[in-house]
Amino acid sequence: DSGVTQTPKHLITATGQRVTLRCSPRSGDLSVYWYQQSLDQGLQFLIQYYNGEERAKGNILERFSAQQFPDLHSELNLSSLELGDSALYFCASSPSLAGGPQDTQYFGPGTRLTVL
Amino acid sequence: AQSVAQPEDQVNVAEGNPLTVKCTYSVSGNPYLFWYVQYPNRGLQFLLKYITGDNLVKGSYGFEAEFNKSQTSFHLKKPSALVSDSALYFCAVRAPPGTTDSWGKLQFGAGTQVVVTP
Repeated sequence: DSGVTQTPKHLITATGQRVTLRCSPRSGDLSVYWYQQSLDQGLQFLIQYYNGEERAKGNILERFSAQQFPDLHSELNLSSLELGDSALYFCASSPSLAGGPQDTQYFGPGTRLTVL
Repeated sequence: AQSVAQPEDQVNVAEGNPLTVKCTYSVSGNPYLFWYVQYPNRGLQFLLKYITGDNLVKGSYGFEAEFNKSQTSFHLKKPSALVSDSALYFCAVRAPPGTTDSWGKLQFGAGTQVVVTP
């Protein structure tokens, strides 16, 4: 158990809908990262938050957004869902911002999103 | 831009035999390199990392990895594979602090499926 929790485990929804994925980082970790794992794109970095602020963006669609709350949990919001958004969404956390030598990312179990 | 390549989609090995999973990378400066493992219906589990120092890094579950700067490789190894090692293995690279991509994001390879047969 990495200490990172994600809810829900599975989500099935229809095209055009909006969903929210939730992540709670390990105790003491300030950085939260979101990744998408799909068959065609592999594992891709979406976005990073540190202590409530957005710090880096990857290949995240405009229909997707995220935030990190004062208690450090994070939510990934996916809207106007398309079939191609079906994927496994991972959250990871690490202690700091700058990715120093001691900064290892630990991953949650993921949320499997199926868009029908 | 940084990138990672895992040239083998699948590696098959008999239980008790040595296991090697290959990884090569491309990154500016001195890379931070990682191996993660994904079991079915589970998240990614951290195995080991190379930051600096000894080229041979030891990690969890008896795994180790060898960093080779001249060949830009970071191959994962285990002297004696177990059936329970069957899983999907990912190599990842992160640019060190002070470089363009220094915010800590991981760049993953495509993954290598390891199948260990009894």
